[in-house]
Formats: sequence, C-alpha cells, structure tokens
Amino acid sequence: GQQVMQIPQYQHVQEGEDFTTYCNSSTTLSNIQWYKQRPGGHPVFLIQLVKSGEVKKQKRLTFQFGEAKKNSSLHITATQTTDVGTYFCADSGSSNTGKLIFGQGTTLQVKP
Amino acid sequence: DAGITQSPRYKITETGRQVTLMCHQTWSHSYMFWYRQDLGHGLRLIYYSAAADITDKGEVPDGYVVSRSKTENFPLTLESATRSQTSVYFCASSGQGNNYGYTFGSGTRLTVV
Repeated sequence: GQQVMQIPQYQHVQEGEDFTTYCNSSTTLSNIQWYKQRPGGHPVFLIQLVKSGEVKKQKRLTFQFGEAKKNSSLHITATQTTDVGTYFCADSGSSNTGKLIFGQGTTLQVKP
Repeated sequence: DAGITQSPRYKITETGRQVTLMCHQTWSHSYMFWYRQDLGHGLRLIYYSAAADITDKGEVPDGYVVSRSKTENFPLTLESATRSQTSVYFCASSGQGNNYGYTFGSGTRLTVV
C-alpha cells in the first residue's frame, strides 16, 4: 500500500536555527496535511496543501508541495523553544474515504 | 479542542479483560477515526467511520471492535486486552473527509499488565 516517508526522524537544533522536515511518497500524493504534536499532547492540524507547487506560510512556517506532488516540506525559520514537538505529514490517498495516511513524524528538539 | 472528548484519559487493565475507550464529538462530524500511537510507529489507523452505522477497518484492526449507533459517539472496545495493545489511543473527527483537517481528542493512555 501507499507509504508516506518522513525524514529526518529526529532533529536537534539550537534556538534560532532553521529546520526542515521532508515528506516523500513513491506514488502521487493527493492532498497533504501537516500536523504538530507537542510532547504529551495530541496532533493539531496546521495546514492542507492541494495544488502542485503550492506554497503556504504561517508566520515562521513555510509549507511546500512538490511540483510532481510526490513530496512536501515544512520549513521553520529561526526556531523557538515553542516549536518543540513532532511534525507529521499525512496524505488522503487516492480514494475519498476520509482516511489519512500519516508519515512517521519528525521530532524536533530546540536547545535554548 | 473541547468539541471532541475521550475518556478515560488513563487506564490500566489486566490481560484478557475487555475495555472500552469512549469518544464523543459535538460537531456532528460525519467522519470519525481511531488511531494508536506507539514509539517508532507513528499514528496507525485502527478503525474509521464515515457516518452512523458505517464502519470500516484500518491498518491494525485485529483485537478491536467499534460501533457507531449515533453520529456523536464512536467507542472502541478491546475484546480481550493484550500487552501489545498498550499504547496511546487517539480519536479524531473530520467534517468532510479528505479535504478537511482532523480534530483529535486528547488521547487515552492504556496500559495492559
């Protein structure tokens, strides 16, 4: 079945450094959603990308959908300690069942 | 998000016992989902439901049963708990399926001893 791979699995950065996580698939992605989960918390929806090449920004966060719709990325500029958590990408797959296929997540640690 | 609640937050049960995890949402969302989260495995779909009385298996359904007699409730039952079912369980809902983000509950941390 379809798999969504995220890299890296873990990332430690110094506060103020940038951070990027990548979401890759062997098949064409439908809609990509990004979620953030704080330590001990639950995943929280951040954004959805639908169109090839789409770029969306939320303050210091930049989300991008690849031109071939086989990859996506989340870039955080000048990380802060509040950015700590696990970031998941998820794809809705080819069928409109409501199901999301989640990547394994990238856990970000930020050193103050 | 107060609109989707899970109970209990924490549960310890013994191997072989039946346990039910509750999920209630107040938005009348059509879609509801149960995921388990384990270290190294991310979020894995157990069961999902597109509407009341419509349920379907996800990636890891064995050992679990769900029902959805009312739109707002989607309980998950472990028929005979095993240690491998020790996990954090998240319920989620979505209004329009694939095109809208999920809203997750706060989770239930289940330990099977």
